[in-house]
Amino acid sequence: DIQMTQSPSSVSASVGDRVTITCRASQGISSWLAWYQQKPGKAPKLLIYAASSLQSGVPSRFSGSGSGTDFTLTISSLQPEDFATYYCQQANSFPHTFGQGTKLEIK
Amino acid sequence: QITLKESGPTLVKPTQTLTLTCTFSGFSLSTSGVGVGWIRQPPGKALEWLALIYWNDDKRYSPSLKSRLTITKDTSKNQVVLTMTNMDPVDTATYYCAHITMVRGGKSKGFDYWGQGTLVTVSS
Repeated sequence: DIQMTQSPSSVSASVGDRVTITCRASQGISSWLAWYQQKPGKAPKLLIYAASSLQSGVPSRFSGSGSGTDFTLTISSLQPEDFATYYCQQANSFPHTFGQGTKLEIK
Repeated sequence: QITLKESGPTLVKPTQTLTLTCTFSGFSLSTSGVGVGWIRQPPGKALEWLALIYWNDDKRYSPSLKSRLTITKDTSKNQVVLTMTNMDPVDTATYYCAHITMVRGGKSKGFDYWGQGTLVTVSS
């Protein structure tokens, strides 16, 4: 299995801050990476697919980059509704493994 | 619009078999490229990919759980069923089903539509 490692595990930030979350794959996955946002008690929501493509309806303050083994999710200016847990997932080969999550908390 | 909903028991005993049904609308599992997957999340923990079935009946399983999982589809009923044998308390989790579209060769854009999830507790 391809292992996905996210960092940091948690981060505290303020409204208006720029935040970057990193995801590293244990082997190359080209650009087959997705990012999800999950709020407590809710199903995950797809934000980014193919490493940098914004899912329909997702605000443009979210962006993704990277290829191969190293990827980032950036939120350019945090809004109150962005405080949640974020997961990366590789969609290159089965099983399509998830990272362990990054909890974004209010400072 | 695409919707999915999980159903099944909320409580199962250790060693029993869990059967979960995902009933969906807004798409057909006979359409080329379309798939439905299962993902679970123990309380307070991360997401875990379990299994996936595609329109052509191609089935994929998590290697660590493959011996315990079976995924099937009923295209006429718009349903996907996941069975997991020999349940254990560590299998306590919220189980989600989700829609996926294959791009090529098993690669995809990720799960773009999710059910609300169903919490399954394993306890005697």
